[in-house]
Amino acid sequence: AQKVTQAQTEISVVEKEDVTLDCVYETRDTTYYLFWYKQPPSGELVFLIRRNSFDEQNEISGRYSWNFQKSTSSFNFTITASQVVDSAVYFCALNGGFKTIFGAGTRLFVKA
Amino acid sequence: SQTIHQWPATLVQPVGSPLSLECTVEGTSNPNLYWYRQAAGRGLQLLFYSVGIGQISSEVPQNLSASRPQDRQFILSSKKLLLSDSGFYLCAWSRGPSGELFFGEGSRLTVL
Repeated sequence: AQKVTQAQTEISVVEKEDVTLDCVYETRDTTYYLFWYKQPPSGELVFLIRRNSFDEQNEISGRYSWNFQKSTSSFNFTITASQVVDSAVYFCALNGGFKTIFGAGTRLFVKA
Repeated sequence: SQTIHQWPATLVQPVGSPLSLECTVEGTSNPNLYWYRQAAGRGLQLLFYSVGIGQISSEVPQNLSASRPQDRQFILSSKKLLLSDSGFYLCAWSRGPSGELFFGEGSRLTVL
């Protein structure tokens, strides 16, 4: 069975701090895909990144970076120099076929 | 460009009443379509997905049903709502079975 665990329910930081959101996954598939989505207060989920299981290169996009480690089944997300606009719920997700399953989400509060 | 819309955005329904949520995708053909539900403060639960017209896969046995009468239309229904059906319902589409999901604005359902 597939599973995504986001152990951090809520994180609160002060603006300009760096913050890492943890994601651990379980799957028996050899080919799978990992995702991160952002859900701002408006409610609509926004796609951030997609990685396949054969590409363990870390990725950086502006203040966002992702660390994929198959050895520990983790796909962590770091926001550098956080801003108030980063306040949202962040979901990690896993797809091994037709279905994408989501973790419970981590609510991030960034205080000014 | 592709867009996805779902409606209504908000509805309040009495227990035992019927439900119909609609979702349409524009700008693409033969998308994979999905219905997710998000209970208050929780993660996303996959309810149904469809890879083509008339093809519906159910993930959670319950009093909800889904239909895909046209290529880019996905409908979530219930004949009799339960209190436990309250939640935030999200429609999504993807280009393929493992692609990133693009979400609609969401429909917030309150059953009283």
